[in-house]
Amino acid sequence: GAGVSQSPSNKVTEKGKDVELRCDPISGHTALYWYRQSLGQGLEFLIYFQGNSAPDKSGLPSDRFSAERTGGSVSTLTIQRTQQEDSAVYLCASSLGLAGGQEQFFGPGTRLTVL
Amino acid sequence: DQQVKQNSPSLSVQEGRISILNCDYTNSMFDYFLWYKKYPAEGPTFLISISSIKDKNEDGRFTVFLNKSAKHLSLHIVPSQPGDSAVYFCAARRIQGAQKLVFGQGTRLTINP
Repeated sequence: GAGVSQSPSNKVTEKGKDVELRCDPISGHTALYWYRQSLGQGLEFLIYFQGNSAPDKSGLPSDRFSAERTGGSVSTLTIQRTQQEDSAVYLCASSLGLAGGQEQFFGPGTRLTVL
Repeated sequence: DQQVKQNSPSLSVQEGRISILNCDYTNSMFDYFLWYKKYPAEGPTFLISISSIKDKNEDGRFTVFLNKSAKHLSLHIVPSQPGDSAVYFCAARRIQGAQKLVFGQGTRLTINP
């Protein structure tokens, strides 16, 4: 499809386990963002990739969170030693970045539940 | 520190009437504002935006108003339709510098037939 895709759509894990969430941005979009939405809250910025520049990691809540973007396209968000407070919907977005408009296009999200 | 606030968690409007969703911000460095609409189990979809050099932007049934002195923006939907029922998020960013969007908590809009 032409939109942002994310997998899995749902993930249930046990406290202490590691999880990986995947994002496929829109082809040609140089900017990629991760956000999360906890229950009853707005979207919270996590990390931003723009081309080959160093990512903006200022929103990552702890060192258990990391993300990488391989080949300027697919991105993986990894949460190590998951905690119950990590339960949220994790949303990925992409945009044309610095070369284009301001609009960010979002994927459907991954709902993470940590038991 | 909630830099973008949507103080109404929910709003109910009759079909055909005007829906007005409000948003306040505290960071005077924000100069670009967006509204997103979100259905359950879907990602947010972009609706309309406004730059700080304008005070109004209109797109069909949707109009966004910006009052910089009050650090306030609003989204007007007229006439409201049942398909407009969703959660609406206000977001802000700086055009230069940080690319991240700062979101409000969202307002759940319900359009009643």
